[in-house]
Amino acid sequence: DGGITQSPKYLFRKEGQNVTLSCEQNLNHDAMYWYRQDPGQGLRLIYYSQIVNDFQKGDIAEGYSVSREKKESFPLTVTSAQKNPTAFYLCASSILGGLNTEAFFGQGTRLTVV
Amino acid sequence: QKEVEQDPGPLSVPEGAIVSLNCTYSNSAFQYFMWYRQYSRKGPELLMYTYSSGNKEDGRFTAQVDKSSKYISLFIRDSQPSDSATYLCAMTPDSNYQLIWGAGTKLIIKP
Repeated sequence: DGGITQSPKYLFRKEGQNVTLSCEQNLNHDAMYWYRQDPGQGLRLIYYSQIVNDFQKGDIAEGYSVSREKKESFPLTVTSAQKNPTAFYLCASSILGGLNTEAFFGQGTRLTVV
Repeated sequence: QKEVEQDPGPLSVPEGAIVSLNCTYSNSAFQYFMWYRQYSRKGPELLMYTYSSGNKEDGRFTAQVDKSSKYISLFIRDSQPSDSATYLCAMTPDSNYQLIWGAGTKLIIKP
């Protein structure tokens, strides 16, 4: 089955720790995205990548880092510099070009700071 | 002012009612308009997709785009409790550009 897999589903972080959220896709999509979702605020873009070894900051990139070493993988690291990391994190992918702009989402990772 | 405005709700209606969900936007360059449905603790999934203006119907769902008013709507006929979810609108000027999202409207269908 083609799709996007995020892991873990739930993640707990202590103050001052870095944590990495995994995102893998087997849809052969060029573009991948990380969003943060907080209640009442919809989806806010953290980082996106349109090609391997290249990525761009989104609206709220501070305190986060990413890598895109493989087309299938786009891990997100939440660093200790992110002051309010408790949120629901969503990874998505899409093809580029043409009329199809559909983004396919993973099931999300809920991160809680303890 | 946000580029895309969407009332977060919640919107609570009885089963069988017609539901109207709406978004307004400010960027006249938007050409691609989408509605996503998100169940609690799940990722969003594409529900309806419209390019440029006009209406699109799929079963109980109808998407409308009015570019002159910068206003899009999603109508749900014969609403069911299983339609209870958050509905997010998204739009973009170009298929190579990132999606711009509304805040999402939480919809509750009461049996």
